[in-house]
Amino acid sequence: GAVVSQHPSWVICKSGTSVKIECRSLDFQATTMFWYRQFPKQSLMLMATSNEGSKATYEQGVEKDKFLINHASLTLSTLTVTSAHPEDSSFYICSALDSLNNSPLHFGNGTRLTVT
Amino acid sequence: LAKTTQPISMDSYEGQEVNITCSHNNIATNDYITWYQQFPSQGPRFIIQGYKTKVTNEVASLFIPADRKSSTLSLPRVSLSDTAVYYCLVGDPHSGAGSYQLTFGKGTKLSVIP
Repeated sequence: GAVVSQHPSWVICKSGTSVKIECRSLDFQATTMFWYRQFPKQSLMLMATSNEGSKATYEQGVEKDKFLINHASLTLSTLTVTSAHPEDSSFYICSALDSLNNSPLHFGNGTRLTVT
Repeated sequence: LAKTTQPISMDSYEGQEVNITCSHNNIATNDYITWYQQFPSQGPRFIIQGYKTKVTNEVASLFIPADRKSSTLSLPRVSLSDTAVYYCLVGDPHSGAGSYQLTFGKGTKLSVIP
């Protein structure tokens, strides 16, 4: 079945530094990927929609200059949290849509970001 | 975007059948209904997807009435490992790049009791 790989699974960084999270579709092409954020005991909140070869579409309230998204290939999207602060600590999850097949959305296993 | 409403939590004993119902009154014609399971600190895992009537796979069944304004996920003979949060999502994944958005509701926290 469709596999979405997310890396790293967890990361700890110092306040003010930047962190990059990768999302890969391992066995299918994904022109569209989605990035979510999930705080403890809450649901997933869509941050942005990532489209291969074009600019990402951000949800209201999500700073595009802080959460940089690059979707340079059909199998890879990256989310960079720039100048991270403790309030950015969260669980970040990506998902990918198979461009060629009518299959459900598949999710990565998430990245736990802790900013100290 | 179709909004979904589910019970916040449910408890069940091991071995029982569990039915979780989701309301989606403003579902669109092209929308599919998809259920996901999420364990703590993991990404959502696909369970089942349907458009109308009944769909069954090796882990669950999905019942969708004719008006499609609700759906019921049925988990047969649950075990302790089925304790998780279950999300019902509605949308058309192939409506065009950028226009497909899956909005997560609060989900249903299922607790299976021994």
